[in-house]
Amino acid sequence: DAGVIQSPRHEVTEMGQEVTLRCKPISGHDYLFWYRQTMMRGLELLIYFNNNVPIDDSGMPEDRFSAKMPNASFSTLKIQPSEPRDSAVYFCASSFGGAGTQYFGPGTRLLVL
Amino acid sequence: GQNIDQPTEMTATEGAIVQINCTYQTSGFNGLFWYQQHAGEAPTFLSYNVLDGLEEKGRFSSFLSRSKGYSYLLLKELQMKDSASYLCAVIWARDDKIIFGKGTRLHILP
Repeated sequence: DAGVIQSPRHEVTEMGQEVTLRCKPISGHDYLFWYRQTMMRGLELLIYFNNNVPIDDSGMPEDRFSAKMPNASFSTLKIQPSEPRDSAVYFCASSFGGAGTQYFGPGTRLLVL
Repeated sequence: GQNIDQPTEMTATEGAIVQINCTYQTSGFNGLFWYQQHAGEAPTFLSYNVLDGLEEKGRFSSFLSRSKGYSYLLLKELQMKDSASYLCAVIWARDDKIIFGKGTRLHILP
């Protein structure tokens, strides 16, 4: 069984550029979560979806961040324009039936220069 | 707030036992998770506690006291591969949201 799939695994970009991170959850899971992890702030929840509908986006830092889930098997997190302080590892996770046991993807390591 | 506190770092010896503590705000509590994260990798699920008491799973056990807002993860017969960060996470009833602590980096010495 494939787990949560994320792409790209690594992204290096320049300040001001648009960044799009992609996630494919585990088939059958109805919850999808986007997290950001840094040394200073730890693992932070950005937004989560239930049945493709955004439920809580209170963790999204600012308007530069947006997330979509057009169908049950795909989600994107977009940063536009990107800034150096956005450099972090971004994880996607999915679960079934609630925000319980979550399965994490391998993460996208983003470096904004 | 929904503060979750756990020690930043701990060191233990191979073959020994270590206990990693986690405290949290009790209001609205709906369950507690422990995740393991090796350096450069994604977190992986270890345990889930919603009722008071001890849950044992092989070398790892997790304890919860709801009234005290306290949990611990107990690792026995430590192995070098147990060197990792251990994340305590709490799920809140009000919004069904899971909040992670900053994690405890565990170093295992030979």
